[in-house]
Amino acid sequence: DGGITQSPKYLFRKEGQNVTLSCEQNLNHDAMYWYRQDPGQGLRLIYYSQIVNDFQKGDIAEGYSVSREKKESFPLTVTSAQKNPTAFYLCATTTGQGRTGELFFGEGSRLTVL
Amino acid sequence: LAKTTQPISMDSYEGQEVNITCSHNNIATNDYITWYQQFPSQGPRFIIQGYKTKVTNEVASLFIPADRKSSTLSLPRVSLSDTAVYYCLVGDWAGGFKTIFGAGTRLFVKA
Repeated sequence: DGGITQSPKYLFRKEGQNVTLSCEQNLNHDAMYWYRQDPGQGLRLIYYSQIVNDFQKGDIAEGYSVSREKKESFPLTVTSAQKNPTAFYLCATTTGQGRTGELFFGEGSRLTVL
Repeated sequence: LAKTTQPISMDSYEGQEVNITCSHNNIATNDYITWYQQFPSQGPRFIIQGYKTKVTNEVASLFIPADRKSSTLSLPRVSLSDTAVYYCLVGDWAGGFKTIFGAGTRLFVKA
């Protein structure tokens, strides 16, 4: 089936540890995005990538890092520099072409810092 | 990117039509208007997209006045399963689209 796979679905981390969230897609989409969502809040953009080997910071990139070595993969690392990492993380893709389109989202990864 | 303003929450009853209005006063000429639906602990799902006048699909209708400074998502005959958060987005996809989600409108449908 075509889609976006995020893993793990739930993750617990101790303070001071780095963790990496996986996002894999087989939709052949060019653009990929990472969002963070806190309880009762909207989505905030962390990083986005429009093409392989290129990515840009979103509104809340501090304490996060990404890579885009393959079209299918856009992993997000939550570093120890992120002061309040407990949140719901969503990966999304889009074709990134043309004037219209839609974002396709994965099921999300819920990170809890103990 | 155009900023959007939506009501924080709305209540409705099953079988009623629900209209959610989004204000986007500084919408640019090339911007499209897109609405998403999100259930708890899930990613948002695309509902509808439009540029001007009216767009209708099997799920909803989108009304956009001539000045495009606002838009209204219309959900006909809502059911309990339509209880969700609805987001209005405005932007131009050409050359890549840095999407900005606001807080959305929390719709609660009662029996």
